[in-house]
Amino acid sequence: GENVEQHPSTLSVQEGDSAVIKCTYSDSASNYFPWYKQELGKRPQLIIDIRSNVGEKKDQRIAVTLNKTAKHFSLHITETQPEDSAVYFCAASSTQTGANNLFFGTGTRLTVIP
Amino acid sequence: DGGITQSPKYLFRKEGQNVTLSCEQNLNHDAMYWYRQDPGQGLRLIYYSQIVNDFQKGDIAEGYSVSREKKESFPLTVTSAQKNPTAFYLCASRLAGAGTGELFFGEGSRLTVL
Repeated sequence: GENVEQHPSTLSVQEGDSAVIKCTYSDSASNYFPWYKQELGKRPQLIIDIRSNVGEKKDQRIAVTLNKTAKHFSLHITETQPEDSAVYFCAASSTQTGANNLFFGTGTRLTVIP
Repeated sequence: DGGITQSPKYLFRKEGQNVTLSCEQNLNHDAMYWYRQDPGQGLRLIYYSQIVNDFQKGDIAEGYSVSREKKESFPLTVTSAQKNPTAFYLCASRLAGAGTGELFFGEGSRLTVL
């Protein structure tokens, strides 16, 4: 099955700096890569996703890049703000298999220091 | 107000007791999922169901059971056979066959075994 690895497990940045979280996956059939944000005590929520037919996607201060050859994808947050502090999960799935299940990374706890 | 509701939010159980966690959604989603969240381990899939009256084991199904008698409901029973049941449990749903669709999560149930 799919194995998703995520690094780093914790990340602290000064407000206004950029943050980068990296994930690798093992199954070359995976073609959908979402990122979820979980604030303290709340449910995970989708913040951005990318499909394997594109290499980069941006939404305001967040962007995701995908390197299919190397099987890795990254989340980039620019001009970080205290409200960006949360746990971020990457995930991967393949729409070519019946279940289409998402396989999650182990999470990155981002702390933005004011 | 559409969404996915889990109950109870907090639950305490004595060793040897079974406990059932409720998950209800009014999003008209066919697919429903149960995840377990432990510190540093991300989200691990317990069981999933793509359609009523059908469900499949995930990566860590031992000691758990589910049912899917109605489209809206996917309860999870944590049995006494689960060796380490203290955890945060998340239910989720999405459109069936939507391998690239957003996963909607409930607010979670925190189970503590005394």
